[in-house]
Amino acid sequence: QVQLQESGPGLVKPSGTLSLTCAVSGGSISSRNWWSWIRQTPGKGLEWIGEIYHSGSANYNPSLTGRVTISVDKSKNQFSLRLNSVTAADTAIYYCARLIIGSPAVDYWGQGALVTVSS
Amino acid sequence: EIVLTQSPGTLSLSPGERATLSCRASQSVSGNNLAWYQQKPGQAPRLLIYRASSRATGIPDRFSGSGSGTDFTLTISSLEPEDFVVYYCQQYGNSPLYTFGQGTKLEIK
Repeated sequence: QVQLQESGPGLVKPSGTLSLTCAVSGGSISSRNWWSWIRQTPGKGLEWIGEIYHSGSANYNPSLTGRVTISVDKSKNQFSLRLNSVTAADTAIYYCARLIIGSPAVDYWGQGALVTVSS
Repeated sequence: EIVLTQSPGTLSLSPGERATLSCRASQSVSGNNLAWYQQKPGQAPRLLIYRASSRATGIPDRFSGSGSGTDFTLTISSLEPEDFVVYYCQQYGNSPLYTFGQGTKLEIK
């Protein structure tokens, strides 16, 4: 059974950098799945942030391009999110997720990590 | 950007009844790559349906998906008490690659 676990600071200062890591267990990050970050807020609902393949190939939401970087660490079986220049609008529950092989739908989600942007 | 509009926003039904939830896309969804998720309070979403009509592993057969192009439907044939939560549709294809609908809340009448 694949499990995903987010970790990282729950509080980030405005203009700072949000950093989260997703540890993958019960499966290999080097499988043929894509791995994704998705966030959720009461106001904007669910928003796709980006995705990465174990080769390092990544795709991002154009609304966040320039601020977001997703990376993969195969040796640790994990992938990470960095979001720069955060504002209060980036306050959200951040989920890491696995996409089904060959189908763009999420079959496994992390439990979610609440990140608050505040001074 | 493809905008997904879910209707109704809230659906009031009783256990045992049939639920029909709609998801309409502003443009045609390529390859019918439309998924449905269920989200219970305090939990991550759970995949119900992918590619418009394929049921995910472990999902009861009372859940079914249909549709193509711009109009998609999630049907719950006979509502169980645990089904009264929020449902989201999600599409894949255009930039941004993935977008979600705003959700339909299923409440007990």
